[in-house]
Amino acid sequence: GDSVTQKQGQVTLSEDDFLFINCTYSTTTYPTLLWYVQYLGQGPQLLLKVTTANNKGISRGFEATYDKGTTSFHLQKASVQESDSAVYFCALVDRSNYQLIWGSGTKLIIKP
Amino acid sequence: AQTIHQWPVAEIKAVGSPLSLGCTIKGKSSPNLYWYWQATGGTLQQLFYSITVGQVESVVQLNLSASRPKDDQFILSTEKLLLSHSGFYLCAYNRGEEDTQYFGPGTRLLVL
Repeated sequence: GDSVTQKQGQVTLSEDDFLFINCTYSTTTYPTLLWYVQYLGQGPQLLLKVTTANNKGISRGFEATYDKGTTSFHLQKASVQESDSAVYFCALVDRSNYQLIWGSGTKLIIKP
Repeated sequence: AQTIHQWPVAEIKAVGSPLSLGCTIKGKSSPNLYWYWQATGGTLQQLFYSITVGQVESVVQLNLSASRPKDDQFILSTEKLLLSHSGFYLCAYNRGEEDTQYFGPGTRLLVL
């Protein structure tokens, strides 16, 4: 079946550092991947949607790209701020079962 | 504009006691509705989904049940709580063929 892997459980950066989060997937269909951000104590919010058609999405300074060669999606931001501290999830869309297949999440910690 | 409301905000319950959590969606007719469970620091686990009133599909039951008594309402319940039911319960919605799911603020449950 379809699957998603997020290997980076935690990333610790300083303000203005570059952020890169990786998410690999396995599917037999054309993938659509969603990036969600979850702030402490809140429900997840959609950050970006990426498909093989558009290859890239940009929102709130974040950029999501798709790499067919490595079957992976990347989330990056040029300069992180303390307000970006949160958990970032990737989720693969499974339309046949009305499901999102979730990665395990990457916790971003910004050092003061 | 659509709004999603979950109640209660938080609960502390005893093992073996019953539970009922609610979710309402305003401003969206005939939404698809979803229940998720999230352990502290964990990923999201989809529990149930419903695409129409009166019909609920189980993904992972965890000794819980769900019902959709109205178009805009989704209920999660159990007659007997377990310690393992502790966590963060999230309701989400989307419409038709839409990929993105939109999440509510969540209900935090502690079972003692």
